[in-house]
Amino acid sequence: GQQLNQSPQSMFIQEGEDVSMNCTSSSIFNTWLWYKQDPGEGPVLLIALYKAGELTSNGRLTAQFGTTRKDSFLNISASIPSDVGIYFCAGPSGGNYGGSQGNLIFGKGTKLSVKP
Amino acid sequence: KAGVTQTPRYLIKTRGQQVTLSCSPISGHRSVSWYQQTPGQGLQFLFEYFSETQRNKGNFPGRFSGRQFSNSRSEMNVSTLELGDSALYLCASSLGGDRGYTFGSGTRLTVV
Repeated sequence: GQQLNQSPQSMFIQEGEDVSMNCTSSSIFNTWLWYKQDPGEGPVLLIALYKAGELTSNGRLTAQFGTTRKDSFLNISASIPSDVGIYFCAGPSGGNYGGSQGNLIFGKGTKLSVKP
Repeated sequence: KAGVTQTPRYLIKTRGQQVTLSCSPISGHRSVSWYQQTPGQGLQFLFEYFSETQRNKGNFPGRFSGRQFSNSRSEMNVSTLELGDSALYLCASSLGGDRGYTFGSGTRLTVV
């Protein structure tokens, strides 16, 4: 079945550093979503991407929809302590919302922690 | 504007019991989806409802069921609870289409 592979699985950040993470799939997605989840809470949508090659920003966050439609990237610039959490990529099952609406496939997440 | 509300936040049940979880979507949202989140399997889709009809179902046993009411509120039920059903159950609502889903804070179910 469809799977989303996120890397890295975890990383440590120091305040002020830029952070990059990515998500890949063996199948095509026509929508890519990036969520962040804080402990004890549900995921919060950060950025939605709908077009191959699209680059979208939300404050210090920038996400890109890969041109092959099989990958997506999320960058966080000048990280701050509240960036700590788990970041998930997600896409609709079947690749697009015209297929199976409401059925999102999630990656396993990239966990951001503060460097000790 | 109120977000997605899930009740209760925490629940402890005994193996073999059944449980009902509730979700109130954002006002105006007609699509409600349910997910199970565990450390091992991550976030997995359970089912989706739109206008009181189940539109999609994930790969979970028949012990997991749900429904949606005319006011778009949704409930999910798990019967004959097993230890492995311990998880964070998340509900998400959407206007529909490709507008993205807003998640609630979840119900943490512990089966003992």
